[in-house]
Amino acid sequence: DGGITQSPKYLFRKEGQNVTLSCEQNLNHDAMYWYRQDPGQGLRLIYYSQIVNDFQKGDIAEGYSVSREKKESFPLTVTSAQKNPTAFYLCASRQDRGVGNEQFFGPGTRLTVL
Amino acid sequence: GQQVMQIPQYQHVQEGEDFTTYCNSSTTLSNIQWYKQRPGGHPVFLIQLVKSGEVKKQKRLTFQFGEAKKNSSLHITATQTTDVGTYFCAGEGTNAGKSTFGDGTTLTVKP
Repeated sequence: DGGITQSPKYLFRKEGQNVTLSCEQNLNHDAMYWYRQDPGQGLRLIYYSQIVNDFQKGDIAEGYSVSREKKESFPLTVTSAQKNPTAFYLCASRQDRGVGNEQFFGPGTRLTVL
Repeated sequence: GQQVMQIPQYQHVQEGEDFTTYCNSSTTLSNIQWYKQRPGGHPVFLIQLVKSGEVKKQKRLTFQFGEAKKNSSLHITATQTTDVGTYFCAGEGTNAGKSTFGDGTTLTVKP
């Protein structure tokens, strides 16, 4: 069954703790993306990777870090430097790192920092 | 950087009425995509427009891409309760590899 998985669905952390969100895809897609969604707002790009061992900052990268050691995995770490980390985090992938092609989204992780 | 504006932010309609959402980019786009996100869910791809002036239809949904490739619209004819959700446009510029999403239009349909 092909797709993108994100775990966990809900995550609670204390302020000041780093937390890593998982994203795995078995679609053999080259490109992967991390977005943040706040209530009533659109998707803002955090980081993206077009190929293994390479990634670029998106529009709101401060306080976040990523790695792309394997094609199928693109974990996101929310560090203590992120001022307002509570949000809905969505991971996506697409087939071609060039122009075009639809993005496939995972089910998302809702992070709450207490 | 590239900005994508989407209006309106919210739209409440009676079932059977039509609905339109508009998307405007600050820069010329290579393509634009539309996604639908149901409440509590994740965005799901609807369609991609590439050509200037392109019009595509999916049953009751009509998508248009402007002649200048800077604006787009999604029109739903005779809305149904199953159309409820947030509709996003996502524009891709010449910098291949990433898209900029609009803030979305949230549609509610009263039976």
